[in-house]
Amino acid sequence: DVKVTQSSRYLVKRTGEKVFLECVQDMDHENMFWYRQDPGLGLRLIYFSYDVKMKEKGDIPEGYSVSREKKERFSLILESASTNQTSMYLCASSLSRGLSYEQYFGPGTRLTVT
Amino acid sequence: AQSVTQLGSHVSVSEGALVLLRCNYSSSVPPYLFWYVQYPNQGLQLLLKYTSAATLVKGINGFEAEFKKSETSFHLTKPSAHMSDAAEYFCAVSELAMRFGAGTRLTVKP
Repeated sequence: DVKVTQSSRYLVKRTGEKVFLECVQDMDHENMFWYRQDPGLGLRLIYFSYDVKMKEKGDIPEGYSVSREKKERFSLILESASTNQTSMYLCASSLSRGLSYEQYFGPGTRLTVT
Repeated sequence: AQSVTQLGSHVSVSEGALVLLRCNYSSSVPPYLFWYVQYPNQGLQLLLKYTSAATLVKGINGFEAEFKKSETSFHLTKPSAHMSDAAEYFCAVSELAMRFGAGTRLTVKP
């Protein structure tokens, strides 16, 4: 069965802290994605990766960076957390670059920055 | 860039009534379109997808969607709502990466 796991369900951090959100998939998928979900805005794409060590900016990359050192793991980094980064963060993966491939989602990490 | 618009952030129906969730897309090329559902405190899961094989697509849990090119629509329907259908529903279009609509929260009244 397909599985995407995220390191934490809930996280509370202070303004200015460096925050790491980890995502692991066990399906040998090539593609991985990070979204943030906010009420009324749906899911907005932060970054994605088509291969190890490769990354592409999404629609809202400012204030974030990513790392993909291994195929199964994709990390989202908030270099200096701010209160406007309080949100639900969702990781997803898909098999390959084909446009018809569905994405599989993790359960999400609810991050609160105080 | 391709995008989707979901009409109605909240939809409320009675149990047993028809469910209709609206999604319109903008695309200069034939799109790949998806509907996902999110139950409380969970990630998203795929309901169905359109990949040009057939305009009427059947998904899980009795849901289906019809691709209408002339109307640039991909509305989601279910003939008879069940209490367990209460969730948030997202329409999405696949480009280099998937782009989602703002979501529609479905409430089912007993």
